[in-house]
Amino acid sequence: GENVEQHPSTLSVQEGDSAVIKCTYSDSASNYFPWYKQELGKRPQLIIDIRSNVGEKKDQRIAVTLNKTAKHFSLHITETQPEDSAVYFCAGGSYIPTFGRGTSLIVHP
Amino acid sequence: EAQVTQNPRYLITVTGKKLTVTCSQNMNHEYMSWYRQDPGLGLRQIYYSMNVEVTDKGDVPEGYKVSRKEKRNFPLILESPSPNQTSLYFCASRQEGRRTEAFFGQGTRLTVV
Repeated sequence: GENVEQHPSTLSVQEGDSAVIKCTYSDSASNYFPWYKQELGKRPQLIIDIRSNVGEKKDQRIAVTLNKTAKHFSLHITETQPEDSAVYFCAGGSYIPTFGRGTSLIVHP
Repeated sequence: EAQVTQNPRYLITVTGKKLTVTCSQNMNHEYMSWYRQDPGLGLRQIYYSMNVEVTDKGDVPEGYKVSRKEKRNFPLILESPSPNQTSLYFCASRQEGRRTEAFFGQGTRLTVV
């Protein structure tokens, strides 16, 4: 099955800085790469996703890039704000997603 | 409102006492799955189902059972819970296909003493 690795496990930034979280995957057949955000005490929710036929997707302050050759994809958050503090999960796989271990992002005011 | 509903939200039980965590979705999704979330380990898949009467093991199925008799429901059964099953559990559902978003339930925090 799919193996998804996510780094770093913890990321601490100052408000206004950028944050980058990276994931690698193993299954060449994977073609859908979502990112979920989990705020403290809440359920994971989709924030952005990318399909394998594009290399980059943006939505306001967040963007995801995909390198199919290298089998990695990244989440970029610009101008971070305290409300961006959460755990972020990447996922890969074909029919049933396999999740990375998560990145705890802390944005200091 | 489209949603995935889990019950109960919190449960404290004793070792060996059978329990069931229910999961129901109202989006007519074909795919449903159960995850457990433990610190540092992320979301690990327990079981998944791609349709009624079709279930399969995920990465950590030991000690758990599931059933999918109806499309909307996917209960998780712990026949003889043990303390190492203390965890936060999430049910998720997804529309059929390879490129669709997963919708999660609110989570069930289980403590086995």
